[in-house]
Amino acid sequence: EAGVAQSPRYKIIEKRQSVAFWCNPISGHATLYWYQQILGQGPKLLIQFQNNGVVDDSQLPKDRFSAERLKGVDSTLKIQPAKLEDSAVYLCASSLAGGGGDTQYFGPGTRLTVL
Amino acid sequence: GNSVTQMEGPVTLSEEAFLTINCTYTATGYPSLFWYVQYPGEGLQLLLKATKADDKGSNKGFEATYRKETTSFHLEKGSVQVSDSAVYFCALSDRPQGAQKLVFGQGTRLTINP
Repeated sequence: EAGVAQSPRYKIIEKRQSVAFWCNPISGHATLYWYQQILGQGPKLLIQFQNNGVVDDSQLPKDRFSAERLKGVDSTLKIQPAKLEDSAVYLCASSLAGGGGDTQYFGPGTRLTVL
Repeated sequence: GNSVTQMEGPVTLSEEAFLTINCTYTATGYPSLFWYVQYPGEGLQLLLKATKADDKGSNKGFEATYRKETTSFHLEKGSVQVSDSAVYFCALSDRPQGAQKLVFGQGTRLTINP
């Protein structure tokens, strides 16, 4: 079974530029998550989708971050404009249904460096 | 709010040593508890979990028991191997029903020397 795919794996941009990340979840998984992991910290949830609807985006900085999940499958996360403090690994995860005991499967992440 | 506090790292042990990584949590209600592991160059993967008090999760020789009275979920392994070198994250899910939201600790880097 294929895992969660993410691209690109690495990205370097200058501040105030824009960037987009792509995620393809495990086939059949209804729930998709985007996390931000700053160096030396645990992942922090940015946004959660159930199919193509947003369940939780309370920690998404909406003035610069946006995300969409068209057709309830692939998802993109965009940052515009980027700030230095956005340097982090962006992780995508998916789960079958999103329930309390559900297992989340993580992709390898995209490492973003903002100069 | 809900939070998870892990033992400060890095932790360095010799092969076959006993491992404990401490994890305590603060949460309202009765969260599910998880340990995730991140091997070098790989994504996070679930190591074990427990969904109610006194449950013991186990996998690959690792164990952790959900202790409600001490709000803890310490990770243990009796004899570590070099291949256990990784970063370990303790996490809780504060929504036992409905959409799961994971709150992670800061991670503990473990290095096992041969």
